[in-house]
Amino acid sequence: GENVEQHPSTLSVQEGDSAVIKCTYSDSASNYFPWYKQELGKRPQLIIDIRSNVGEKKDQRIAVTLNKTAKHFSLHITETQPEDSAVYFCAAHASGGSYIPTFGRGTSLIVHP
Amino acid sequence: NAGVTQTPKFQVLKTGQSMTLQCAQDMNHEYMSWYRQDPGMGLRLIHYSVGAGITDQGEVPNGYNVSRSTTEDFPLRLLSAAPSQTSVYFCASGYGGPGDAEAFFGQGTRLTVV
Repeated sequence: GENVEQHPSTLSVQEGDSAVIKCTYSDSASNYFPWYKQELGKRPQLIIDIRSNVGEKKDQRIAVTLNKTAKHFSLHITETQPEDSAVYFCAAHASGGSYIPTFGRGTSLIVHP
Repeated sequence: NAGVTQTPKFQVLKTGQSMTLQCAQDMNHEYMSWYRQDPGMGLRLIHYSVGAGITDQGEVPNGYNVSRSTTEDFPLRLLSAAPSQTSVYFCASGYGGPGDAEAFFGQGTRLTVV
């Protein structure tokens, strides 16, 4: 089955800095890579996703990159703000096939004002 | 549109007690799943279902049962609660099609077993 590794487990940055979270996956059949943000005491919610036919996707201050050859993908947050503080999960799965995503262990991002 | 509704939000059980966590979705999603979230362990899959009448085990199924008699409902049963089952539980659902694979989560259940 799929195995997703996520690093780092904790990331502390100053407001305005950039943050990068990296994930690797094992199953070459995976073609959908979502990122979820979980604020304290809340449910995880999708913030951005990327499919295997795309190398990079941006949405305002967040971007995701995918390297299918190396089987890794990353989340980039620029100009971090205190409200970006949360736990971020990456996931990988085969969209349209075996739907159930495999999640990484999460990264706790702390943005200091 | 309610999305994914999960109840209860909090629960305290004594060791050996049984209970059912309820999950319902109103988006006509085929796929439903249960995860437990423990510190440093991320979201671990307990059981999942790809449609009514079909269920399968995930990564950590022991001590839990599920059933899927309708598309909307996917309850999780704890057969005999143990302190190791103290966790936050999330139900999730998704369409699963090639154009829409987002997982929608319920609000979570914080379960404490004493």
